[in-house]
Amino acid sequence: DGGITQSPKYLFRKEGQNVTLSCEQNLNHDAMYWYRQDPGQGLRLIYYSQIVNDFQKGDIAEGYSVSREKKESFPLTVTSAQKNPTAFYLCASIKQGGRNQPQHFGDGTRLSIL
Amino acid sequence: ELKVEQNPLFLSMQEGKNYTIYCNYSTTSDRLYWYRQDPGKSLESLFVLLSNGAVKQEGRLMASLDTKARLSTLHITAAVHDLSATYFCAVDTSRIIQGAQKLVFGQGTRLTINP
Repeated sequence: DGGITQSPKYLFRKEGQNVTLSCEQNLNHDAMYWYRQDPGQGLRLIYYSQIVNDFQKGDIAEGYSVSREKKESFPLTVTSAQKNPTAFYLCASIKQGGRNQPQHFGDGTRLSIL
Repeated sequence: ELKVEQNPLFLSMQEGKNYTIYCNYSTTSDRLYWYRQDPGKSLESLFVLLSNGAVKQEGRLMASLDTKARLSTLHITAAVHDLSATYFCAVDTSRIIQGAQKLVFGQGTRLTINP
């Protein structure tokens, strides 16, 4: 079955450490997205990518970085510059030209500070 | 800055009752999406509303869009316990026809349906 796989499901970060969250999709979707969700809140856009080797900042990109070397993969690095990284991170994807379609979401990664 | 506001944020209701969740947004858009999220889980798409006056129904849920009023509603008919979840609306703010979908989400409405 096609879908979006996020790993790990739970992740702990130490002070000053960078951590990378994985997002892989086998839906042949072109655009991929990273969102952050804080408890009791809606989702906020961190970064998105429409094609390989290209990505744009979302509303809360500071302290995060991404890469898009393959169509299937869009990893998110939470850097030490992100002072409040504890949140639920969701990856999503959509087919190019599919602006009238809903985004498909992965199961998320829950990141906490040690 | 686009704002998407849902109300109520918390809703506790009894099985069999009807209720409506409201989603107001502050800028022009004709694409609005409703999602459902169960506790600790991912988001599941419910409805895609693409034009003024659009109405979609699935089971006990019905969604509508009024782009002139910048308002969408999610109506629950004869609620059942299985509908307990958090419901989000999201507005597409992208202006570029071939551009990427860019969603701004509401805060979510946590719905609890009691037997």
